[in-house]
Amino acid sequence: EVPLLESGGGLVQPGGSLRLSCAASGFTLSSYAMSWVRQAPGKGLEWVSAISGSGSGTYYADSVRGRFTISRDNSKSTLFLQMNSLRAEDTAVYYCAKVNGYDPFGYAMDVWGQGTTVTVSS
Amino acid sequence: DIQMTQSPSSLSASVGDRVTITCRASQSISSWLAWYQQKPGKAPKLLIYKASSLESGVPSRFSGSGSGTEYTLTISSLQPDDFATYYCQQYHSFTWTFGQGTRVEIK
Repeated sequence: EVPLLESGGGLVQPGGSLRLSCAASGFTLSSYAMSWVRQAPGKGLEWVSAISGSGSGTYYADSVRGRFTISRDNSKSTLFLQMNSLRAEDTAVYYCAKVNGYDPFGYAMDVWGQGTTVTVSS
Repeated sequence: DIQMTQSPSSLSASVGDRVTITCRASQSISSWLAWYQQKPGKAPKLLIYKASSLESGVPSRFSGSGSGTEYTLTISSLQPDDFATYYCQQYHSFTWTFGQGTRVEIK
């Protein structure tokens, strides 16, 4: 059983939108904060966004604030990342990660998905 | 935002060597620091959290230390499975940041 499974990646034109999903299994999603982290080709890790266990608290990197929206459906054990106004520099592998606490802060990311690839190109 | 600077960016070492990687924060992060290992084409793996706490299942040859703005990951005796890229990450502020990574290669 894979604890976190991302989907929704693909090729999109600049200015377009994409919605990523992350299906969680083997643990109670509502008990944990969740996060998205991305990695551009050949580059390092970049934190994108985080959300509290209830979904009431959301946090974003400056590079995506106002364009990306993180959300969750605990009843369906699924995390989402809505990405709008996509740019070439958003091209990356996007990982979802479980934060080892209900609130994002004070806890590290202890379980990671395998990633989904987003390519922004015309 | 808090900037994280790792050094070195890469290193070459032999099996059995002691390896040390340093991470410096632009301001105090009060030990809210994690270390991750990433192998090519794979997701990162948590090694150390809260600067010095070993994640369950991680070999004891990995250790972390530090406080304030300076942190260190040490591999006491490098094993073949340890050749990878290592990242530090601060989770002190409302925006998290990673170091640029340290690639550990075989000498």
